[in-house]
Amino acid sequence: DTGVSQNPRHKITKRGQNVTFRCDPISEHNRLYWYRQTLGQGPEFLTYFQNEAQLEKSRLLSDRFSAERPKGSFSTLEIQRTEQGDSAMYLCASSLGNQETQYFGPGTRLLVL
Amino acid sequence: AQKVTQAQTEISVVEKEDVTLDCVYETRDTTYYLFWYKQPPSGELVFLIRRNSFDEQNEISGRYSWNFQKSTSSFNFTITASQVVDSAVYFCALSRGEAGTALIFGKGTTLSVSS
Repeated sequence: DTGVSQNPRHKITKRGQNVTFRCDPISEHNRLYWYRQTLGQGPEFLTYFQNEAQLEKSRLLSDRFSAERPKGSFSTLEIQRTEQGDSAMYLCASSLGNQETQYFGPGTRLLVL
Repeated sequence: AQKVTQAQTEISVVEKEDVTLDCVYETRDTTYYLFWYKQPPSGELVFLIRRNSFDEQNEISGRYSWNFQKSTSSFNFTITASQVVDSAVYFCALSRGEAGTALIFGKGTTLSVSS
């Protein structure tokens, strides 16, 4: 039983560039979540999917952010026109259903120069 | 609004000491879940425990124990006989009831255990 995987693990980009992260949830988990964690803070919720439907988006998810889960399996999180304030750890989690425990991946650490 | 407060930013102990990490939460939901996660230096959040709002029984798992008290809105975590491998950031989190499942995290407590 493999855990949640995320790629890449690290990304350095220049301000203004677009970046895309991928998350592969635990097999058969129908819920997938994205969180962002900045230094010294707890993770903050961004969005979540049930199967391919995006059910909720946080106000933190600006227009430059978009997330997809096209076939209800893996998900991608894209940030367009990156800003230095986007530098953070982006965490993905999955769960078997509503109110079930969320299991987290190793995260993608983004640095915007 | 929901909120999780971990008032202890950093705790330092010597191996074999017992240590308690505090967590206080705020919610208007009658149904909710509380969690503890561990984040070692590698960065991955590791699930430790989940408790629902209707189950106030304390739980013990090896050297770990949890004390849930609805009367004080607290869900404290105690490590008995701490070890160096317990050094990590520990997060308490709250999930909403019927409305959704986004986790609301506290700011975390950094535990340093020295030998």
